[in-house]
Amino acid sequence: DAGVTQSPTHLIKTRGQQVTLRCSPKSGHDTVSWYQQALGQGPQFIFQYYEEEERQRGNFPDRFSGHQFPNYSSELNVNALLLGDSALYLCASSRTNTKNTEAFFGQGTRLTVV
Amino acid sequence: AQSVTQPDIHITVSEGASLELRCNYSYGATPYLFWYVQSPGQGLQLLLKYFSGDTLVQGIKGFEAEFKRSQSSFNLRKPSVHWSDAAEYFCAVGARSNDYKLSFGAGTTVTVRA
Repeated sequence: DAGVTQSPTHLIKTRGQQVTLRCSPKSGHDTVSWYQQALGQGPQFIFQYYEEEERQRGNFPDRFSGHQFPNYSSELNVNALLLGDSALYLCASSRTNTKNTEAFFGQGTRLTVV
Repeated sequence: AQSVTQPDIHITVSEGASLELRCNYSYGATPYLFWYVQSPGQGLQLLLKYFSGDTLVQGIKGFEAEFKRSQSSFNLRKPSVHWSDAAEYFCAVGARSNDYKLSFGAGTTVTVRA
């Protein structure tokens, strides 16, 4: 089992550009959550996808959007990049409708905006 | 809204000594509490979680945590640290056991000296 895989591992973008990050959940998991971790801070919840729909959302602007595919993989899109979007983006997968389930995190994508 | 405070930004401990990391949470209902560890450049690994029942929770790598509702705390402990325990530790709170919209603290960096 490969666990949660994220791609790419590192990315450098210019202000104003758009970026897409990808996440493949652990086998058997149907829910994907995205987090932003700025340097020296704890992860902050961006949104969560289940059954191909955004189920919950944190306090992030509409520039942050996502998608979940039928195979449960997910994408995070960020438009009009700002310098402040530079961070480690973490994906976590879990299984809804399973009591006391555990979420597994990927290694993250390090995004640098210049 | 739920939130977590980790009062200690950085802790240095000698190898073989005991370790305690503090975590205080704010949440109006029954909290679901987690401790994660993050090594440099890595994702998050779950050390332990508290959902209900016994307030002393055992985790991986010899860690344990105690839930104290009266103090709104969930402190992490290890009796004897190893050099490999040097990492960043995050406490998190969630609203439900299968809902991984988590609020994380800012983290505590642990340095282990020989």
